[in-house]
Amino acid sequence: GEDVEQSLFLSVREGDSSVINCTYTDSSSTYLYWYKQEPGAGLQLLTYIFSNMDMKQDQRLTVLLNKKDKHLSLRIADTQTGDSAIYFCAENPGSSASKIIFGSGTRLSIRP
Amino acid sequence: DTAVSQTPKYLVTQMGNDKSIKCEQNLGHDTMYWYKQDSKKFLKIMFSYNNKELIINETVPNRFSPKSPDKAHLNLHINSLELGDSAVYFCASSHGRDTIYFGEGSWLTVV
Repeated sequence: GEDVEQSLFLSVREGDSSVINCTYTDSSSTYLYWYKQEPGAGLQLLTYIFSNMDMKQDQRLTVLLNKKDKHLSLRIADTQTGDSAIYFCAENPGSSASKIIFGSGTRLSIRP
Repeated sequence: DTAVSQTPKYLVTQMGNDKSIKCEQNLGHDTMYWYKQDSKKFLKIMFSYNNKELIINETVPNRFSPKSPDKAHLNLHINSLELGDSAVYFCASSHGRDTIYFGEGSWLTVV
């Protein structure tokens, strides 16, 4: 089946690292994505990882993929107030090139 | 230089009305989508078009009819609007699987 799960809330202190976790069910997923949605705004593609990779780093963002456990994580280093948003994990299931399945989103809030 | 643009951004209308949301992409992508985001922020695909052909229709009521006049446009027409149609509708486009770009969303409120 096609299902993506992530916890609904995460609170971190400013300057700390944030780690947002996600699990997916489709082992044939080829691409996995992280999107960011700020209040009242659209979806911004943050990064994506191809299924044959274990890790991808882009400035403050690190994506880790454990394909065996079907687990994806997004680490944000030195979290800032501007990182407050909902973060969506998504997969492109192997059964269909033409859709992506989203998780429920994790709302990241930053404490001073 | 907007990549995926959709109009209107906000729409308030009465139950029973018919309304359309327009979407255009200037990225040269061959696949376009409509997604719906409900009040709990859940995102679900509604339709996908590839080169103007409908390839995904995810059990959306017949009141919703997408139309793709060309590869760069995918419009969404909704007949007989119901309260439950209130949501944010996102248009998106892609070329291949690697990057899917979303528009800014259209906030539809049915009263």
